[in-house]
Amino acid sequence: GAGVSQTPSNKVTEKGKYVELRCDPISGHTALYWYRQSLGQGPEFLIYFQGTGAADDSGLPNDRFFAVRPEGSVSTLKIQRTERGDSAVYLCASSPDSGSGNTIYFGEGSWLTVV
Amino acid sequence: AQKITQTQPGMFVQEKEAVTLDCTYDTSDPSYGLFWYKQPSSGEMIFLIYQGSYDQQNATEGRYSLNFQKARKSANLVISASQLGDSAMYFCAMSSVPYDRGSTLGRLYFGRGTQLTVWP
Repeated sequence: GAGVSQTPSNKVTEKGKYVELRCDPISGHTALYWYRQSLGQGPEFLIYFQGTGAADDSGLPNDRFFAVRPEGSVSTLKIQRTERGDSAVYLCASSPDSGSGNTIYFGEGSWLTVV
Repeated sequence: AQKITQTQPGMFVQEKEAVTLDCTYDTSDPSYGLFWYKQPSSGEMIFLIYQGSYDQQNATEGRYSLNFQKARKSANLVISASQLGDSAMYFCAMSSVPYDRGSTLGRLYFGRGTQLTVWP
């Protein structure tokens, strides 16, 4: 499809396990973002990539969270030693490069439940 | 630090009526961008409307308009002629960089949202 694609849409994992969430941005979009949305809250910024590099990772809550975008397209958010507090919807978004006048386009999210 | 405040957890409006969703913000940046997103139960965030801090006129997009009052630091969303399909969560957000100033948008700061219910 033409939109931001995220997999899996739902993931249930046990506390302490490792999880990977994948994001496939809109073709040609150079900027890619990860947000986390807990129940009843607005999205919280985690990290944003410009191309392959992380331009701003100040929102990552701790060193259990890591994200990569090795070829400047698909990105993977990695969570180690998951905790119950990590349960949330993880939203990925992308936007074109500068000057296009477009906004950020979001995917439908990956719902993570840690039990 | 940037902060977005949405004081209305829930709003109700009858179909075909207009409704205003409140948003106030706090920032020390000299220029910034303001956004409204709609999030239906499917979870996807849908972009509705944008206002740059330096824009002289209020933004409009179809039935959506943004009532921007810079001195009050408010950016309320007005939806005219409400439809049943407008029922959703609405989020106000802010960026430190106005996106049409030739630089990548960067992070957005979101409010807690307002749940809008449109009834027949």
